[in-house]
Amino acid sequence: QQQVRQSPQSLTVWEGETAILNCSYENSAFDYFPWYQQFPGEGPALLIAIRSVSDKKEDGGFTIFFNKREKNLSLHIKDSQPGDSATYFCAASGPNYNVLYFGSGTKLTVEP
Amino acid sequence: GPKVLQIPSHQIIDMGQMVTLNCDPVSNHLYFYWYKQILGQQMEFLVNFYNGKVMEKSKLFKDQFSVERPDGSYFTLKIQPTALEDSAVYFCASSLVFNERLFFGHGTKLSVL
Repeated sequence: QQQVRQSPQSLTVWEGETAILNCSYENSAFDYFPWYQQFPGEGPALLIAIRSVSDKKEDGGFTIFFNKREKNLSLHIKDSQPGDSATYFCAASGPNYNVLYFGSGTKLTVEP
Repeated sequence: GPKVLQIPSHQIIDMGQMVTLNCDPVSNHLYFYWYKQILGQQMEFLVNFYNGKVMEKSKLFKDQFSVERPDGSYFTLKIQPTALEDSAVYFCASSLVFNERLFFGHGTKLSVL
């Protein structure tokens, strides 16, 4: 059973638009949700993270919106730039879980 | 910033052979991880490691897999013997806090022929 699901699988937006990437999770006990950004040929790198006590987290042009009741969250990338083109992974973990579970990723392409 | 180094970047071996993937984690990190990625898609958890011991391993971490970090040197993933389905990119990561702020290497692409 997949613990973390992401949609869409791929997304193309124009430069300057807001990209919205979605994530949902199975286990209501998860309380930590990082997003990782991966460029081709590299490993993922932590972009931004939120804990379940918050419903929103902002860092630069990146914002996480979190809905605990619905068990989903989204990453908004404001004023997208071609340099934001990458694969974005949502992940989840929680107390009593020894694993950081990753979703299948959303490949974002920002067209100039 | 802190870097995790993985050696080699690409390894090609024949099915049935042994392979060791090496990882040089961030120097003061305490937790170490291996993830497997196929075709640039889902990051599949294999194993994590702390204080010289495996903390958790997944079903993908078959009996042919082993990890160790002898004397605080490289954190290694050994596969013996290899199978065709082991072909993937293997990512090593390390962190100071368990499951938080993981620093990943660039990956080792393993091709089993």
